[in-house]
Amino acid sequence: EDQVTQSPEALRLQEGESSSLNCSYTVSGLRGLFWYRQDPGKGPEFLFTLYSAGEEKEKERLKATLTKKESFLHITAPKPEDSATYLCAPNNQAGTALIFGKGTTLSVSS
Amino acid sequence: DVKVTQSSRYLVKRTGEKVFLECVQDMDHENMFWYRQDPGLGLRLIYFSYDVKMKEKGDIPEGYSVSREKKERFSLILESASTNQTSMYLCASRVPQSNEKLFFGSGTQLSVL
Repeated sequence: EDQVTQSPEALRLQEGESSSLNCSYTVSGLRGLFWYRQDPGKGPEFLFTLYSAGEEKEKERLKATLTKKESFLHITAPKPEDSATYLCAPNNQAGTALIFGKGTTLSVSS
Repeated sequence: DVKVTQSSRYLVKRTGEKVFLECVQDMDHENMFWYRQDPGLGLRLIYFSYDVKMKEKGDIPEGYSVSREKKERFSLILESASTNQTSMYLCASRVPQSNEKLFFGSGTQLSVL
């Protein structure tokens, strides 16, 4: 059975304090792993897609990486506006729909 | 800019009512999806549609039905609303390649009293 686990569930950082969010997955025939950001009361907003182990993508203070079993979202020198819930979603071989993790809620204080 | 529009931001209904949640996308996407999101449970797929008049059950279809009469519109129907259907409902769409990203609407927060 396809599974995805995100850790930690919640993360509190001081402004400027870098850290990483983890997404562990077990899917049959990975066809992309997606990262989304979700602000309270809003729909998820697309950040990155990673397709193969070793791939990395960056956007401002965020960098996503992918291995065969995990993906990491690295946040460098975060700011309060980076506070949100971050969702990862691998896409399996059947490709029917994304399998979402429960998310990591990030709070960055100034 | 791509847009997925959900007709209501907040909705309050009574137990037993028939509820329609509407979603419209302006990107000519073939695939459309309905998820619900609950604290501690994450996003769970209710139904999806590959194209007009096509529908497939997701992980939690019980108590729901869908309608896709036009390509741009995908409706979620709660035949007889119950309190355990109180949730945030999210609609999404994408092009018909399974490795492409989903575009989400802003969500409808439904409360069933």
